[in-house]
Amino acid sequence: DILMTQSPSTLSASVGDRVTITCRASQSISTWLAWYQQKPGNAPNLLIYRASSLESGVPSRFSGRGSGTEFTLTISSLQPDDFATYYCHHYNSYPITFGQGTRLEIK
Amino acid sequence: EVQLVESGGDLVQPGGSLRLSCVASGFTFSANWMSWVRQAPGKGLEWVASIKQDSSATKYLDSVKGRFTISRDNADNSLYLQMNNLRAEDTAIYYCTRNTARDIVFDYWGQGTLVTVSS
Repeated sequence: DILMTQSPSTLSASVGDRVTITCRASQSISTWLAWYQQKPGNAPNLLIYRASSLESGVPSRFSGRGSGTEFTLTISSLQPDDFATYYCHHYNSYPITFGQGTRLEIK
Repeated sequence: EVQLVESGGDLVQPGGSLRLSCVASGFTFSANWMSWVRQAPGKGLEWVASIKQDSSATKYLDSVKGRFTISRDNADNSLYLQMNNLRAEDTAIYYCTRNTARDIVFDYWGQGTLVTVSS
């Protein structure tokens, strides 16, 4: 199975900051990677697919990059609504596996 | 508007069985792969199972193979997860999800249904 490792596990930042979350795969997954945002008590929300394609309706301050084994999710200017937990997952093959999550909290 | 509404979660003893249901609306249900993804309390996300549009293919997480069965009824716009021989580690919120048309990513999620396995 492909292991997905996110870093950091927790990130403290302020409104207006630019932040980057990293997701690493234990083997190459080309660009078969997605990112989600989850707020407490809610289901996850798809942000990015194919490593860099922005899902319809997602603000353009979110962007994704990477290929192979290293990927990043960047929020260009943090808004109050962005404080949440972020997950990556690969879909290169089954089983689909998720990263452990990155909690983005207010500094 | 796409909606996925799960039901069937409950408290069940180890070794017991449960059947989860998900009713879909707002899209052509028969056009998409569908999946179940779970989340243990306070933990991360874990993909559980997926089923092709016409039920001709299914995929499972190794730890649930032989115990869980995913199925669908396109006439009723419904997705199911039959869970047998439940274990404490199956305790989680189970989300019904829609796969996008071209990728194995989950663009719509239900609100989730809680399964608790405990004696």
